[in-house]
Amino acid sequence: GDSVTQMEGPVTLSEEAFLTINCTYTATGYPSLFWYVQYPGEGLQLLLKATKADDKGSNKGFEATYRKETTSFHLEKGSVQVSDSAVYFCALSDRGRDDKIIFGKGTRLHILP
Amino acid sequence: DSGVTQTPKHLITATGQRVTLRCSPRSGDLSVYWYQQSLDQGLQFLIQYYNGEERAKGNILERFSAQQFPDLHSELNLSSLELGDSALYFCASSPEGALNTEAFFGQGTRLTVV
Repeated sequence: GDSVTQMEGPVTLSEEAFLTINCTYTATGYPSLFWYVQYPGEGLQLLLKATKADDKGSNKGFEATYRKETTSFHLEKGSVQVSDSAVYFCALSDRGRDDKIIFGKGTRLHILP
Repeated sequence: DSGVTQTPKHLITATGQRVTLRCSPRSGDLSVYWYQQSLDQGLQFLIQYYNGEERAKGNILERFSAQQFPDLHSELNLSSLELGDSALYFCASSPEGALNTEAFFGQGTRLTVV
């Protein structure tokens, strides 16, 4: 079945460091890909999305490119801030069958001032 | 505020009991999703309803059931509760499927089974 694998955390970085969180997926159809973020005590919020190969999603300085050839959707940010501390979830929705969203296990990010 | 309302926010109950979690989707959203978040299993998809009908089913136990009512609110019923059912339960809604539109999540119901 469809699945999402993302790097395990926690990831700890200093403020202004470069961030990469790796995400790979397995899907039989042509999925849409998402990054969601969960701040402490809150629900998940969509951070960015890409619906087809080579699309780049971006928001709040975060970017991810839909790479069909490597089945990847890595999240990057050039300069992280303390306020970026949260849990990040990579997810997919497979248009081929239904449109439930399958999530990775999440990566906890700590940014030190 | 996502516009998705979940009640109650916290629930503590004993093993063997039954509870009902409620979700009010954003105004106009037809799809409702239920997820279970636990430390070891991450975010597990349970079930999706679209305009009152079941649309997709995930790893939902037979002890769990859900429904979506004509006013589009949804309820998740958990029965014969076990300690392992302790988790954060999220509801999300979207206007159609998740294909081209994002899913909006509620703040969750934290269930503790003692």
